[in-house]
Amino acid sequence: EVQLVQSGAEVKKPGESLKISCEGSGYSFTTDWLAWVRQMPGKGLEWMGIIYPGDSDTRYSPSFQGQVTISADKSIRTAYLQWSSLKSSDTGIYYCARAYDMLTGLWHWGQGTRLTVSS
Amino acid sequence: QSVLTQPPSVSGAPGQRVTISCTGSSSNIGAGYDVHWYQQLPGTAPKLLIYGSINRPSGVPDRFSGSKSGTSASLAITGLQAEDEADYYCQSYDSSLSGCVFGGGSKLTVL
Repeated sequence: EVQLVQSGAEVKKPGESLKISCEGSGYSFTTDWLAWVRQMPGKGLEWMGIIYPGDSDTRYSPSFQGQVTISADKSIRTAYLQWSSLKSSDTGIYYCARAYDMLTGLWHWGQGTRLTVSS
Repeated sequence: QSVLTQPPSVSGAPGQRVTISCTGSSSNIGAGYDVHWYQQLPGTAPKLLIYGSINRPSGVPDRFSGSKSGTSASLAITGLQAEDEADYYCQSYDSSLSGCVFGGGSKLTVL
């Protein structure tokens, strides 16, 4: 069974750094892609970027380029999304999702990590 | 403003048929890239409903179907049921952005 298990909810202050994780199991972690998707409170889905854990090839949406860093450690089947300096506008739910490639859809989703950034 | 345009809301009575449109441009749907549809029930993660514009993953009822023509795609739901009440999102690849894009989402209300 394919599973994507994300790290737990976070409450942070503006300016703090953060790294959230997504551990994949039940499929070939190094030959599929992992995407990150943001959902701000009461809003729709936004595609942030995607990584190929096999060689760490990473693509970012122009809206998120330079705002976040996507990485992966294939030895522990885990992908990461990190911020160096959080803003209140980063508040939302972040999902990781498995894709065969960038053209064929997001087949399996993690449960989401809720992030609250508030002073 | 989303790259893919969906109606914010649609509604229908139980048993009826509803359609949700997804309008793109020549750099995404019109360029021949497939459209995928997701269902997000309240408080849960999205779930893949239609892939490759017209295909259903295993376990998705055949009441759900997808189509694509030109720069647009549609999701049709027949035999509407109360449990279909959810948000629905379309998604495709955009060559000018070199990445994936979502529609703004459509909230389906079962009357």
